[in-house]
Amino acid sequence: RKEVEQDPGPFNVPEGATVAFNCTYSNSASQSFFWYRQDCRKEPKLLMSVYSSGNEDGRFTAQLNRASQYISLLIRDSKLSDSATYLCVVNSAGRRALTFGSGTRLQVQP
Amino acid sequence: SAVISQKPSRDICQRGTSLTIQCQVDSQVTMMFWYRQQPGQSLTLIATANQGSEATYESGFVIDKFPISRPNLTFSTLTVSNMSPEDSSIYLCSVETGSGGANVLTFGAGSRLTVL
Repeated sequence: RKEVEQDPGPFNVPEGATVAFNCTYSNSASQSFFWYRQDCRKEPKLLMSVYSSGNEDGRFTAQLNRASQYISLLIRDSKLSDSATYLCVVNSAGRRALTFGSGTRLQVQP
Repeated sequence: SAVISQKPSRDICQRGTSLTIQCQVDSQVTMMFWYRQQPGQSLTLIATANQGSEATYESGFVIDKFPISRPNLTFSTLTVSNMSPEDSSIYLCSVETGSGGANVLTFGAGSRLTVL
C-alpha cells in the first residue's frame, strides 16, 4: 500500500463548480499535512497547510480526519486558473522528509 | 521564502555519461533535499544533503549512482552517474522554509533530464 494515496483524476469541472479531493495516508503517526499545487512542467508550490481543526484560505478549504487518516481539499467557485495537479503531502513520522501523493489532476473548463 | 536557482534547467545526455546538477539558495539552510519526478509520477525523495556530513539516502538510492556534495550552507550538487534511459526524469532540489516543525518546502524549478 502506498504511504499517500490520491485519486489521479482527471476531474473535469465547469467554471464556478465546487470540487473536492480526498487523500488517504497510511502512517497514523504522521504529524504534518499539506496540499501542494503543481502546474504543468513547473515545480510544486505550497497551496496550504492542513491543520487539525481545518482551515480555509479564500475559496480553498482543507480538512484533516485523523481517525480515518484522510485529508480533503475543497475548491469553491472554480476558476480556469485552478487547473493544475494537486499533491497531497504528508510528513513522515520521525523524519524531516515529506512524502508526496501521486497527485489529482483538475481541469476547469469554460 | 527562499529563492532557489537550479541548473541546468534541461539537458539531453547520452547513455553511460554523468551529469551534475547545481542548486543555489539565496539564504543559508541546514538541509537541502533532492527529489526525482519521473514522467507522470509524483515526487520521490532521493536524499537529504547535510552540510558537513554525508548525505542521507532513501531506500532504493545509493551514493555511487547519485553522489551529492554540500560544500556550504547555500549550495549543493547532485550527480546522476552512468546514466541510462530510466534516469530520464525531472530532478528538483528543495529547502525547508517553515519555522520550527512546520517543514514547508520550497522547490527549485527543476532540471529536466533526457537520456538517450
